[in-house]
Amino acid sequence: DTAVSQTPKYLVTQMGNDKSIKCEQNLGHDTMYWYKQDSKKFLKIMFSYNNKELIINETVPNRFSPKSPDKAHLNLHINSLELGDSAVYFCASSPPLSTNEKLFFGSGTQLSVL
Amino acid sequence: GESVGLHLPTLSVQEGDNSIINCAYSNSASDYFIWYKQESGKGPQFIIDIRSNMDKRQGQRVTVLLNKTVKHLSLQIAATQPGDSAVYFCAEMISGGSYIPTFGRGTSLIVHP
Repeated sequence: DTAVSQTPKYLVTQMGNDKSIKCEQNLGHDTMYWYKQDSKKFLKIMFSYNNKELIINETVPNRFSPKSPDKAHLNLHINSLELGDSAVYFCASSPPLSTNEKLFFGSGTQLSVL
Repeated sequence: GESVGLHLPTLSVQEGDNSIINCAYSNSASDYFIWYKQESGKGPQFIIDIRSNMDKRQGQRVTVLLNKTVKHLSLQIAATQPGDSAVYFCAEMISGGSYIPTFGRGTSLIVHP
């Protein structure tokens, strides 16, 4: 059983399109995240949700909108895709941040904007 | 701003050698550190962690050393194997708050048979 699963694994699309990436975790965690990994492997936090509520929103264009229908899901919607959005996007989950526990990552979604 | 960084972006070793991957951090308030391993096409996976009340922690073939004085931690891998080839990240956290784990750039470990 995959603990953190995200779909799709690969996403190729044209500039200007709108796309979504879905993430689900079956670990019972309260906190979920979206990270962006660039071509140089740098992992940068985008959003963090705790029990369906946004707690962290780093400097991310408002074209990116996370949505958490329940605490097991955190989806990422991207409007008006740009070339610079090409990257690998990772979803992750963990127990509450205050408990200082490790993150569990999904396998990533490789987004290519043409 | 403060950041987590790595000294070496790429490390090449021979199979059977010991590997040492270094990480510098600058947030003196950080008190929990984690090493992750990311294999090609996969997400980062937990390897080992250490809290600031310790200076050394050992796992299976891996050891993490923490030097709070110089804000440095390292990951030592004994008898490196081809399966250890991956990108390794260190991450820092602060207890009790909403501090999101901050990752360094990563070190690519290449193990030659």
